[in-house]
Amino acid sequence: GAGVSQSPSNKVTEKGKDVELRCDPISGHTALYWYRQSLGQGLEFLIYFQGNSAPDKSGLPSDRFSAERTGGSVSTLTIQRTQQEDSAVYLCASSLVGGGGGGETQYFGPGTRLLVL
Amino acid sequence: RKEVEQDPGPFNVPEGATVAFNCTYSNSASQSFFWYRQDCRKEPKLLMSVYSSGNEDGRFTAQLNRASQYISLLIRDSKLSDSATYLCVPWGGNNRLAFGKGNQVVVIP
Repeated sequence: GAGVSQSPSNKVTEKGKDVELRCDPISGHTALYWYRQSLGQGLEFLIYFQGNSAPDKSGLPSDRFSAERTGGSVSTLTIQRTQQEDSAVYLCASSLVGGGGGGETQYFGPGTRLLVL
Repeated sequence: RKEVEQDPGPFNVPEGATVAFNCTYSNSASQSFFWYRQDCRKEPKLLMSVYSSGNEDGRFTAQLNRASQYISLLIRDSKLSDSATYLCVPWGGNNRLAFGKGNQVVVIP
């Protein structure tokens, strides 16, 4: 079946502009995660959605970052007033349930490569 | 101490040889462990899950040492297609996975 999809695949923007990144999780997956990976670095957790529960926003680096998930499916990550240090690959992942139990496999999308000039 | 520490390498491995590398983790409450593989400019993909002392899948073997808080990955009979970065991911019972920076493996013909 279809995997996690993200759009756009690449985004170039000017410093100070707002950007929106989209994630379509695997159908039926209730958990959705956003990560950021800067060049040569590991994945940095940003935010986690689980069903109708309040999202875990503890990884968001500043109040310029926000995310929402509509109808328990598609998610949008918004970065306001982008800065050059926001340049990175933004990865979305989904899993069947999330949290609890013994941990679950997360399936990643191809990512959005953001470049802030 | 970082949550997950991995020697970034690169680990240059002759084709057909065996390579092994470790990952240390700081959260003693970590219950499950995952090895993800990430190819250059691609997303991570699950290679192996480890819920007990270890796991084996073909040429890949993972071993967990809870007392010393490290997990290792061994690749036997290395193939050129094994060239990638291997990410160690302990799961500590909360909502997030802690990703290491990865061990870069380069298999040389």
